[in-house]
Amino acid sequence: EPEVTQTPSHQVTQMGQEVILRCVPISNHLYFYWYRQILGQKVEFLVSFYNNEISEKSEIFDDQFSVERPDGSNFTLKIRSTKLEDSAMYFCASRGTVSNQPQHFGDGTRLSIL
Amino acid sequence: KNQVEQSPQSLIILEGKNCTLQCNYTVSPFSNLRWYKQDTGRGPVSLTIMTFSENTKSNGRYTATLDADTKQSSLHITASQLSDSASYICVVNDNNNDMRFGAGTRLTVKP
Repeated sequence: EPEVTQTPSHQVTQMGQEVILRCVPISNHLYFYWYRQILGQKVEFLVSFYNNEISEKSEIFDDQFSVERPDGSNFTLKIRSTKLEDSAMYFCASRGTVSNQPQHFGDGTRLSIL
Repeated sequence: KNQVEQSPQSLIILEGKNCTLQCNYTVSPFSNLRWYKQDTGRGPVSLTIMTFSENTKSNGRYTATLDADTKQSSLHITASQLSDSASYICVVNDNNNDMRFGAGTRLTVKP
């Protein structure tokens, strides 16, 4: 079964540095998402992306965050100047166009800010 | 405020026993409700989806119920196995396809 893949699985970065998290969604999916999950807390929506533009974003997704689909397969989340509180698991998800199809999640990137 | 509340926060049961997890929501307008299973260190995986008109849906040993009037859902796990140990997350979609996540129930199945 096709999967959403995320790299790296763990990223350690100094505070203030830029970080790019990468995702390869399922190939025929057209809707893409980023979520984060701080350790011990619930999954939080960051942003949704469709037709090469952001569909919706949460309050968390401020101007330090950006997303890009640079080619036909990758979907990236960039954090420009990381803060300690950005430490979390970041999940990418994608879904197809049929109504009520589930979002398929990757296994996440654990981001640790030092 | 649109919210999804789950109970209990955590649960420990013996292998082979049944259990029921609860989800109450205030999301409106309601579109559908999903139960996800999240193994430690993995992304959530969809178990089942409930739409407004559905009361019960089964997926193997998992049975989900929905009462749209009282805005409650449950996930019943029958004959639990060690591999059922995971977090179970209730997610409610509104008509804008915004997903509201519950905090999850952490289930531990012991031998």
